[in-house]
Amino acid sequence: DAGITQSPRHKVTETGTPVTLRCHQTENHRYMYWYRQDPGHGLRLIHYSYGVKDTDKGEVSDGYSVSRSKTEDFLLTLESATSSQTSVYFCAISESSVLGYNEQFFGPGTRLTVL
Amino acid sequence: AQSVAQPEDQVNVAEGNPLTVKCTYSVSGNPYLFWYVQYPNRGLQFLLKYITGDNLVKGSYGFEAEFNKSQTSFHLKKPSALVSDSALYFCAVRDINTNAGKSTFGDGTTLTVKP
Repeated sequence: DAGITQSPRHKVTETGTPVTLRCHQTENHRYMYWYRQDPGHGLRLIHYSYGVKDTDKGEVSDGYSVSRSKTEDFLLTLESATSSQTSVYFCAISESSVLGYNEQFFGPGTRLTVL
Repeated sequence: AQSVAQPEDQVNVAEGNPLTVKCTYSVSGNPYLFWYVQYPNRGLQFLLKYITGDNLVKGSYGFEAEFNKSQTSFHLKKPSALVSDSALYFCAVRDINTNAGKSTFGDGTTLTVKP
């Protein structure tokens, strides 16, 4: 398995509180991604990074911010959590490629519940 | 724009029978296509991908997929299903003209293989 860890694995928080999820990789891959998985919606891209301090928005980025200060770490922050952000969050990584056809490797997921 | 559809939420097959999980896609250019599998409480695992060349792609665990450009399909197949193949399967697409960070995933198909 690719060396990807996510922390915490489970979190319960209250509406309005800030939450930060961490993704850590040991593969030195250039690309890192944050997805959320919800029943009936598959996987939806929140944000991704194509290098240190280089990030871009995905299709469901509202209410989320990210930071990548080191190659190995990619943080996802919910500034003020809402119940609609209750979900399972997956981090993924992929190698760089000029053509961009590399597959992604996924972490184990973080189950977040916002009460 | 790019999109992918998995028309069946659920596929049921008997062990030993062939299985097919369907995927259709839409891209403005040429596609890169991927299949991933997710076992309960786990992250997604890469199965196979189509980049170019031979339309029949072979992947992990005896799975294969056939790229059909005229039908814009990339169906996942296996000649003889195993109970252990029971899982959630995702198809993903990336237009080769799209930023390498942005793949689009289908909503997933739950495969159940009965003994």
